Amino acid sequence: SAVISQKPSRDICQRGTSLTIQCQVDSQVTMMFWYRQQPGQSLTLIATANQGSEATYESGFVIDKFPISRPNLTFSTLTVSNMSPEDSSIYLCSANRGEETQYFGPGTRLLVL
Amino acid sequence: KQEVTQIPAALSVPEGENLVLNCSFTDSAIYNLQWFRQDPGKGLTSLLLIQSSQREQTSGRLNASLDKSSGRSTLYIAASQPGDSATYLCAVSRTGNQFYFGTGTSLTVIP
Repeated sequence: SAVISQKPSRDICQRGTSLTIQCQVDSQVTMMFWYRQQPGQSLTLIATANQGSEATYESGFVIDKFPISRPNLTFSTLTVSNMSPEDSSIYLCSANRGEETQYFGPGTRLLVL
Repeated sequence: KQEVTQIPAALSVPEGENLVLNCSFTDSAIYNLQWFRQDPGKGLTSLLLIQSSQREQTSGRLNASLDKSSGRSTLYIAASQPGDSATYLCAVSRTGNQFYFGTGTSLTVIP
């Protein structure tokens, strides 16, 4: 298994600011991903965090708004840039080792005022 | 685009009952399907993973089935307990990596 931690666990931010969320896995993983869960909605994939190269974004998500880093096999960050109230969501990091169970972090609860 | 639907959206049962949660998906070309549990204020916990070549998986009181051709999966929970109260999410993947999630079934087991 893999244990994933996220920082911060929650935050309240002002419109127009940016927040960087950290994701740490307790062991090396192959793939890392970032998801968003808007209030009352299910999870939507934002991007795949690629180690040592640019992230792969899903339709509707762009690098300028959600820059992602993955410097090694156990760590990734997601930045939510120039935030608006519509960005208020839970942001979840997930990981797997290829063809097996997907593991998820506890999520970061973001409220933008 | 893959669309995943879960029925019912909410379910309330007395303790001890057996229950079935349903998941349907529009694109049958999946690699695997995974059932998760989400507790308030916590992340997702994986319950069962079914590869596309499999028909079912079992873990304790949980049994998940997959009918890929019809685009359906069910999660069977036997002898429900109050601790089973949570939101249950179904997710499908075309590649084994990126997952498409359903909207979930919120389960309440009444003591």
